[in-house]
Amino acid sequence: GAGVSQTPSNKVTEKGKYVELRCDPISGHTALYWYRQSLGQGPEFLIYFQGTGAADDSGLPNDRFFAVRPEGSVSTLKIQRTERGDSAVYLCASSLSGRSNTEAFFGQGTRLTVV
Amino acid sequence: GENVEQHPSTLSVQEGDSAVIKCTYSDSASNYFPWYKQELGKRPQLIIDIRSNVGEKKDQRIAVTLNKTAKHFSLHITETQPEDSAVYFCAASPDKLIFGTGTRLQVFP
Repeated sequence: GAGVSQTPSNKVTEKGKYVELRCDPISGHTALYWYRQSLGQGPEFLIYFQGTGAADDSGLPNDRFFAVRPEGSVSTLKIQRTERGDSAVYLCASSLSGRSNTEAFFGQGTRLTVV
Repeated sequence: GENVEQHPSTLSVQEGDSAVIKCTYSDSASNYFPWYKQELGKRPQLIIDIRSNVGEKKDQRIAVTLNKTAKHFSLHITETQPEDSAVYFCAASPDKLIFGTGTRLQVFP
């Protein structure tokens, strides 16, 4: 596709439920990043993939959060036992390589609301 | 890990004036410093970036400066226009982008 695509754009779920958020990066981009953005805040790093492997998952807040990228393209962020504090916009970004100085392109985000 | 601080949190200027946003970072291994503009309800979009081998970069009305010794970098917007109104984020990257907390810029006609 032309850009980074995230689905769904909006997700409302009940506290305690499981959710999956999908990211489809720009074709050919080997690096993929997940961020979380709360209202009025900057994007908060969660995890990044270089190819299929998680190169750095130090930003995942706890073990309820997990992400995969099995074929080195599409990635899924999984949140178990959702809590109201998980409500935020989840942003995905991709870049051409895992080198730290290449431009990252963002998707439009998934707005997650836990009620 | 990397920590990025950004100031000011809000900035109001008259159309035509200049705006300056400043950031500091902590990790001396950071070598890439992009600036993103985010309009309400939209995705962050890169407006300019600078790498650690240069001290300044300019693109039309936008310029960035980098002082590696002091670990700070700045965004300068000249001749501001109402459409420059948005939230601006700086970021520093040793291996992944770490963002500042953002500056809400309002340009009044």
